[in-house]
Amino acid sequence: DAGVTQSPTHLIKTRGQQVTLRCSPKSGHDTVSWYQQALGQGPQFIFQYYEEEERQRGNFPDRFSGHQFPNYSSELNVNALLLGDSALYLCASSSGTGTDTQYFGPGTRLTVL
Amino acid sequence: QKEVEQDPGPLSVPEGAIVSLNCTYSNSAFQYFMWYRQYSRKGPELLMYTYSSGNKEDGRFTAQVDKSSKYISLFIRDSQPSDSATYLCAMSYGTGGFKTIFGAGTRLFVKA
Repeated sequence: DAGVTQSPTHLIKTRGQQVTLRCSPKSGHDTVSWYQQALGQGPQFIFQYYEEEERQRGNFPDRFSGHQFPNYSSELNVNALLLGDSALYLCASSSGTGTDTQYFGPGTRLTVL
Repeated sequence: QKEVEQDPGPLSVPEGAIVSLNCTYSNSAFQYFMWYRQYSRKGPELLMYTYSSGNKEDGRFTAQVDKSSKYISLFIRDSQPSDSATYLCAMSYGTGGFKTIFGAGTRLFVKA
């Protein structure tokens, strides 16, 4: 049973560019959350998708957007990249019902030059 | 003031020692309390999950939640070099990762 998978593993972009990160949830999970983890910090909640809609959002600007597909996989899009967007982007999946907690993927390390 | 405070360490202990990791929080609405372990350049791995106050034990790990003091702890008994990692406390208002707030993480080094 595959856990949460993310692609790509690493990414280098320049300021002003746009980036798309991808996530496949753990089998049986229908909810995907995205987090940004800066170096030396804990993960910060960006948003959560359930039933193809954004259900919750953290304190991130509109440059950060997402999408969830019918197979529950998800994309995180970041426009107009800033140097400060350099971080590890983590995807976590969970079940929309019950008391399951979330399971994290290995992350995508984004470097903005 | 941050919602969740966690001492970043680093904390260095000899092999076999009992490790105590702690977090404080300010929002009494938190109901679910988690501890994650994160190895370098990896995603966090769930270690312990507790609902409301009380203790929970799993092998060498014990999690304690004191909601009256807004204080949670993770104890690691008989620590091993393989326990060397960053330990993140996390809290949420609901299940399924609903608006989870993480501490900054404590770096732990267990010396052989």
